[in-house]
Amino acid sequence: DIQMTQSPSSLSASVGDRVTITCRASQSISTYLNWYQQKPGKAPKLLIYAASSLQSGVPSRFRGSGSGTDFTLTISSLQPEDFATYYCQQSYSTLALTFGGGTKVEMK
Amino acid sequence: QVQLQESGPGLVKPSETLSLTCTVSGDSIKNFYWSWIRQPPGKGLEWIGYIYYSGSTNYNPSLKSRVTISVDTSKNQFSLKLSSVTAADTAVYYCARRRDDFDYWGQGTLVTVSS
Repeated sequence: DIQMTQSPSSLSASVGDRVTITCRASQSISTYLNWYQQKPGKAPKLLIYAASSLQSGVPSRFRGSGSGTDFTLTISSLQPEDFATYYCQQSYSTLALTFGGGTKVEMK
Repeated sequence: QVQLQESGPGLVKPSETLSLTCTVSGDSIKNFYWSWIRQPPGKGLEWIGYIYYSGSTNYNPSLKSRVTISVDTSKNQFSLKLSSVTAADTAVYYCARRRDDFDYWGQGTLVTVSS
């Protein structure tokens, strides 16, 4: 299976901060990388697909980048509604889809 | 608007079989792959498997021996069966529509394994 490693596992930030979350794949996955946001008690929400494509309705402050093994989710100016947990997910290996362990973004 | 809704028992006894159904509305189940994903309390997401309307399936290798996903195109539903459950299978179970990503999700249903 392709292992997905996110860092950090948690971070503290303030409204208006620029936030960067990293996801690393154990082997090259091209751009088959998706990002999700999950708030407590809710289902995950797709933010970014194919590494850098913004899902419809998602604010433009969310940006995804990367290819191969290293990927980044950037929130350009953190808003109050962005405090949540973020997961990456690889779709390169369709026989074994895997998620990263998550990054919790907390209020400083 | 695509909507997915999980249904099934919230409590299952150890060694028994967990059974859930996902009802899809706003889209034909023939158009995409459909998946089950779970999340133990306080932990991360784990993909369980997916199915195409033809019945073609793919399962997480770590669960493959215990998982069966089936589809009922007449009801626009797909289902999950997980056998020989233990406390480690306690989780919120989500159904989701799969492209290369998971773009639509159900609200999730908590299944507790306990005697």
